[in-house]
Amino acid sequence: EIVLTQSPGALSLSPGERATLSCRASQSVYSNYLAWYQQKPGQAPRLLIYSASSRATGVPDRFSGSGSGTDFTLTISRLEPEDFAVYYCQQYGNSPLTFGGGTKVEIK
Amino acid sequence: EVQLVESGGGLVQPGRSLRLSCTTSGFTFRDYVMTWVRQAPGKGLEWVGFIRPKVSGETTEDAASLKGRFTMSRDDSKNIAYLQMNSLKTEDTGVYYCTTTVGSDGYEARLGSVWGQGTLVTVSS
Repeated sequence: EIVLTQSPGALSLSPGERATLSCRASQSVYSNYLAWYQQKPGQAPRLLIYSASSRATGVPDRFSGSGSGTDFTLTISRLEPEDFAVYYCQQYGNSPLTFGGGTKVEIK
Repeated sequence: EVQLVESGGGLVQPGRSLRLSCTTSGFTFRDYVMTWVRQAPGKGLEWVGFIRPKVSGETTEDAASLKGRFTMSRDDSKNIAYLQMNSLKTEDTGVYYCTTTVGSDGYEARLGSVWGQGTLVTVSS
């Protein structure tokens, strides 16, 4: 089973700042099948990024994904008020699929 | 509009069983992978498993930690996916979501681009 470790666990930033979230895999993710999700309190997750760097439909271009192999990054170029949430990475190239533990982006 | 609605959650005693349903509309249900994800109170997301469409044999994959206690199935005539949960434990408590990705095949079909609102399962004596 691939273990995904997200860091930091929490990030305190102000609107307009840049957020950089990390996801490290315990072994190489097949074909870089790595996704990022956003979840707000009381809501279901929302798919942001798939295949490490492809934005899902309707996702603003301030969200970008990068990385390959075992190291992946989600970048939010300029935080908007609605971006403060918890972010999860997921690998879907190897079964069992796995999620990282999440990074909470909170308002400073 | 693609919609997923989970139901069947509730309070159940340890060791008992529960079946969750995911009723869908707005897409050709029989063509797509259906995935279950759960979330314990205040915790992160945990992948439970998925079931492939009939054209791919309706085969399933699930989390090793479940040790075969959970079974996924689907009824293409009713557009419903099911999660049968047996020998429930207190650590199975949480919100259970069904999800799918319409319009994708291959590995992207395993993603969750459309989600239900979730159903809460509480395992307690």
